[in-house]
Amino acid sequence: QKEVEQDPGPLSVPEGAIVSLNCTYSNSAFQYFMWYRQYSRKGPELLMYTYSSGNKEDGRFTAQVDKSSKYISLFIRDSQPSDSATYLCAMSAAGGYALNFGKGTSLLVTP
Amino acid sequence: GAVVSQHPSRVICKSGTSVKIECRSLDFQATTMFWYRQFPKKSLMLMATSNEGSKATYEQGVEKDKFLINHASLTLSTLTVTSAHPEDSSFYICSAREGGGYYEQYFGPGTRLTVT
Repeated sequence: QKEVEQDPGPLSVPEGAIVSLNCTYSNSAFQYFMWYRQYSRKGPELLMYTYSSGNKEDGRFTAQVDKSSKYISLFIRDSQPSDSATYLCAMSAAGGYALNFGKGTSLLVTP
Repeated sequence: GAVVSQHPSRVICKSGTSVKIECRSLDFQATTMFWYRQFPKKSLMLMATSNEGSKATYEQGVEKDKFLINHASLTLSTLTVTSAHPEDSSFYICSAREGGGYYEQYFGPGTRLTVT
């Protein structure tokens, strides 16, 4: 079993929809949780960074971490065509710098 | 802030030759840099971790003699693919971590390597 599981999609939504992206993980040592956005043929761009459990909001983006369920989510409100990209979740343990990535979810927002 | 650059963005080389890829942190000092490779529709696979001034730590299954990593300064790390073969063709991405307790990694734009 991979340490981080993420549905690769593709996920297609109409413009303006609320998008929910999720990852599950198996390693209870993970303390740091990140979401990256990657456009085609580009490097990942850090979107959200959360430590331990809880919610974090930044503009149209909200990250949630539920450590009891080993489940993290990224919500995108009022989705735009420019949000079309692959979204990668990543996480690391305390004291460890290596990131464990999910496979990424491909999102398409149609006008 | 937190910009990481890579050069070149794409390179084509012949089998048996060596290729060097540079990774630079432009506006911060990177105590740690990471090298990943990514195959189409796959996630990023960590190849190695390098700290400035010390030897890189390679992940299991990564040949250290084939993928030479040098982290000579706080803003520059290089990855040299030696005696490249077609199976080394991939998207190579570096990331940098500022240190001081920050766990965020900032990624470069990636280098597309094609070995013919």
